[in-house]
Amino acid sequence: DVKVTQSSRYLVKRTGEKVFLECVQDMDHENMFWYRQDPGLGLRLIYFSYDVKMKEKGDIPEGYSVSREKKERFSLILESASTNQTSMYLCASKGSLDTQYFGPGTRLTVL
Amino acid sequence: GDSVTQMEGPVTLSEEAFLTINCTYTATGYPSLFWYVQYPGEGLQLLLKATKADDKGSNKGFEATYRKETTSFHLEKGSVQVSDSAVYFCALSDPGSNYKLTFGKGTLLTVNP
Repeated sequence: DVKVTQSSRYLVKRTGEKVFLECVQDMDHENMFWYRQDPGLGLRLIYFSYDVKMKEKGDIPEGYSVSREKKERFSLILESASTNQTSMYLCASKGSLDTQYFGPGTRLTVL
Repeated sequence: GDSVTQMEGPVTLSEEAFLTINCTYTATGYPSLFWYVQYPGEGLQLLLKATKADDKGSNKGFEATYRKETTSFHLEKGSVQVSDSAVYFCALSDPGSNYKLTFGKGTLLTVNP
């Protein structure tokens, strides 16, 4: 079974802090994704990566950056957290087939 | 661009009732279609998928048929259980968009005993 893990289930940060969300997959997948999930808006793609050190912006990249130094790990960075970034963050990975596998999510609260 | 429209919830049913959650899509290419389920406090799990027209995906008593002529992928289950209470997301993956997933907004299903 594909396993995607995220570093924290719940996180509370203050406005202006730099925040790192980590995601690790164990299936040697080339593609990894970061989404945020908000009530009434569904899931929206922030960034994705199709190879080590490669990244592409998704639909809502503003205020976020990403890092993929190793194939199994994809990090989402909030350079200066703001209250409107309070959300559920979901990581996913995908191999050569078209199915994405999701982690359990990180619920981030920015005060 | 690609888009997915699914019926708005919440949907509340009694145990053993029949379930339909409607999903229609717009895509430029020939997408694969998915239903994901999210149980309370958890991430998304793949429920079923279909990769070409007239394919039927099925899992855990749920079914959905890829209808190209109506651009639809409606989710059905003949007899729901309390344990089916969750949020259901319809999604498409378009090869022309780098296989990114486009999601509907989700439908909350509550099944009462």
